Amino acid sequence: QKEVEQDPGPLSVPEGAIVSLNCTYSNSAFQYFMWYRQYSRKGPELLMYTYSSGNKEDGRFTAQVDKSSKYISLFIRDSQPSDSATYLCAMRHNDMRFGAGTRLTVKP
Amino acid sequence: GAVVSQHPSWVICKSGTSVKIECRSLDFQATTMFWYRQFPKQSLMLMATSNEGSKATYEQGVEKDKFLINHASLTLSTLTVTSAHPEDSSFYICSARSPTYEQYFGPGTRLTVT
Repeated sequence: QKEVEQDPGPLSVPEGAIVSLNCTYSNSAFQYFMWYRQYSRKGPELLMYTYSSGNKEDGRFTAQVDKSSKYISLFIRDSQPSDSATYLCAMRHNDMRFGAGTRLTVKP
Repeated sequence: GAVVSQHPSWVICKSGTSVKIECRSLDFQATTMFWYRQFPKQSLMLMATSNEGSKATYEQGVEKDKFLINHASLTLSTLTVTSAHPEDSSFYICSARSPTYEQYFGPGTRLTVT
């Protein structure tokens, strides 16, 4: 079993839809949870960063961490074509572990 | 936010030659930097962890004699792909760990070996 599981998609939604991206993990020692966005041919950029459980909101983006279920989510409201990218979850105890990334396409 | 740069952004080299990629943290000191490789449509794969002033720690399956890593200062780590072959063609990304433990990625270097 991989330490971090993420459905690679691809996921295609119409513009304006609410997008839900998820990861599950097995290592209960993870304390830091991150979402990265990677556009094609670019390096990943940090999108959201959460320590321990709870919710964090930044504009159209909301990150949720449920440590009891070992489940993290990223919600994108009012999705835009410019949100089309690959989204990687990552989590850390001592070392970083990444999900496989979910490729998202938002169609106009 | 913190900035990590990589140079070059794109390099083409002939099979058998060596290529050096630089990773710099521009506005913080990074005692630890990481090197990743990403093949098309796949996730990042950690190659090695680079600690300033000491030898890099390589992930299983990564040849340390082929991928030479030097972390000579708190703001610079280099990855040298020695005797490159076409199967080494990939997207190489570094990241740097800030003093507050956030991890910031460089923009990546696309290596094509012909």
